[in-house]
Amino acid sequence: EDQVTQSPEALRLQEGESSSLNCSYTVSGLRGLFWYRQDPGKGPEFLFTLYSAGEEKEKERLKATLTKKESFLHITAPKPEDSATYLCAFSGRSQGNLIFGKGTKLSVKP
Amino acid sequence: DTGVSQDPRHKITKRGQNVTFRCDPISEHNRLYWYRQTLGQGPEFLTYFQNEAQLEKSRLLSDRFSAERPKGSFSTLEIQRTEQGDSAMYLCASIPGGRETQYFGPGTRLLVL
Repeated sequence: EDQVTQSPEALRLQEGESSSLNCSYTVSGLRGLFWYRQDPGKGPEFLFTLYSAGEEKEKERLKATLTKKESFLHITAPKPEDSATYLCAFSGRSQGNLIFGKGTKLSVKP
Repeated sequence: DTGVSQDPRHKITKRGQNVTFRCDPISEHNRLYWYRQTLGQGPEFLTYFQNEAQLEKSRLLSDRFSAERPKGSFSTLEIQRTEQGDSAMYLCASIPGGRETQYFGPGTRLLVL
């Protein structure tokens, strides 16, 4: 069965304290691995798409990496405005519907 | 570039009433998805349109739910005889042809009393 697990469920960091979020997935045929940011009461905001093992993408303080079974979202020197829930999802079917994890709620304290 | 829009943003209704939500995708995006998200969970797939054709429905989409996408433009999601368990955020996303990345709207938060 296709599934995705994110860890930790919640993460508290001090401003400037770098860390990583984990996304483990099981899918028969990966068509894409996606990271989204979601602020309270809002829709998910697209961050990255990764397609194959070894691929990496960066945007400001965020860097996403992909292996055959996991993806990591590395946050370097986070700021309070990076506080949000980070969702990982994959697309494994031709219809393209996404299967999401439960997310990691990140809090960055000044 | 206008993103995906959804209307209304919030809806409070009484159990047993019908509600309808609207989604306007990004222009020329031919694929449109509906998801439902409850507190502390990731979004869950409900249904999918390619142009005006509804191609897949999740088992989460009971008989009380119906979705349409007339003329392949905006889409509506109707819930009949709402139940308290229908309280959730309803999200719409769209994709251009040949791509995989979905762009989400702001969602409609439904509260059934």
